[in-house]
Amino acid sequence: AQKITQTQPGMFVQEKEAVTLDCTYDTSDQSYGLFWYKQPSSGEMIFLIYQGSYDEQNATEGRYSLNFQKARKSANLVISASQLGDSAMYFCAMREPNTGNQFYFGTGTSLTVIP
Amino acid sequence: ETGVTQSPTHLIKTRGQQVTLRCSSQSGHNTVSWYQQALGQGPQFIFQYYREEENGRGNFPPRFSGLQFPNYSSELNVNALELDDSALYLCASSQSGGLISGNTIYFGEGSWLTVV
Repeated sequence: AQKITQTQPGMFVQEKEAVTLDCTYDTSDQSYGLFWYKQPSSGEMIFLIYQGSYDEQNATEGRYSLNFQKARKSANLVISASQLGDSAMYFCAMREPNTGNQFYFGTGTSLTVIP
Repeated sequence: ETGVTQSPTHLIKTRGQQVTLRCSSQSGHNTVSWYQQALGQGPQFIFQYYREEENGRGNFPPRFSGLQFPNYSSELNVNALELDDSALYLCASSQSGGLISGNTIYFGEGSWLTVV
């Protein structure tokens, strides 16, 4: 089974609007971490936001927020007030201490912000 | 700027050749992991080094090997290159090998390898 599933290969959003990128995960561990990364065409993985499995509050970082629904095993990224510079690939990822803390990445969502 | 530097940034190799990719980790980071990202895919874990020892490996054949040096920089070596090895190779460094952390894991910009 896939550890991370991202079902939206591509998304479009109007500039200044909000957009939600979906992510579901699969783990039997109680302790894990969920991450979102942005990858522009240059290739670098840019950290956006992190949610620990024991965190009760949804994580927020500026215009980014993570809608964490533990029972549903979902960790959707919400980008508010989209900007043209937000156009990029977005990856959801998970780390588990019991599997050596390697990252499991999804297949990514390509976001295009339309002026 | 993450402080993680990878070299070379782009290279082209012929099938059957060998390649070495290098990664200089963020100052103070003792853990380096390597990922392969094929076109249109998410990164796949190759292996991880913690204080010069391999302490985790993904589903990659032995022709993918690595080293970590006393200054915690690292190399990824791939022997007998195949066409499917064409990918972006990402290095990530962090401070600890055993803990989950938030924004303390830094990726380099990657090395784009093309095998022809």
